Amino acid sequence: EIQMTQSPTSLSASVGDRVSITCQASQDISDYLNWYRQKVGKAPELLIYEASKLESGVPSRFGGSGSGTEFILTISSLQPEDAATYYCQQYDNLPYNFGQGTKLEIK
Amino acid sequence: EVLLVQSGAEVKKPGESLKISCQASGYSFHSYWIGWVRQLPGKGPEVMGIIYPGDSDIRYNPSFEGRVTISADISISTAYLQWSSLRASDTAMYYCGRHHSLIPGDGLEMWGQGTMVLVSS
Repeated sequence: EIQMTQSPTSLSASVGDRVSITCQASQDISDYLNWYRQKVGKAPELLIYEASKLESGVPSRFGGSGSGTEFILTISSLQPEDAATYYCQQYDNLPYNFGQGTKLEIK
Repeated sequence: EVLLVQSGAEVKKPGESLKISCQASGYSFHSYWIGWVRQLPGKGPEVMGIIYPGDSDIRYNPSFEGRVTISADISISTAYLQWSSLRASDTAMYYCGRHHSLIPGDGLEMWGQGTMVLVSS
């Protein structure tokens, strides 16, 4: 079973800041990685698929990079609506595990 | 417009059975993978399993295999998740989602509103 580890588990940043979240897979998953944003009380929203491809309708301030075991989600200019928990998810092999989440707070 | 509409919240007793649904509209139901996701209170999402309605290819997360059954009815564009004997530990929010492409597990790009299941004696 592939384990996904995110860091940090929480962070606080200001509007306009550049923010990065890291996701590490326990084995090589190529680029079979998704990133989601989940606001409180809502379903997750797909931001990035195949490690770096921006989902349709998602603002261009979101970007994904990496392959193999190390991945990064970057928000280039933080907005108030980005307050949420962010999850990475691998889909190289079942079970398609999520990371434990990164809670992002806006100062 | 692509929509996934899930059945309403359920309150059940341990040992009871349950089947919840996810009705799709606005696209060719048989052409996209559908996934079921559990989210325990205060925890991250877990993929329980996925189904390709076109040929009923079903793939379970080993942690859930034998505990739940995933199915679909193409004639009414609806996917299902069912339990034969609920436990208190099944209390959670359950989401269905449509996958992005023909690659199993590819991003869930469209989600239902969620079905809250409460199991309590």
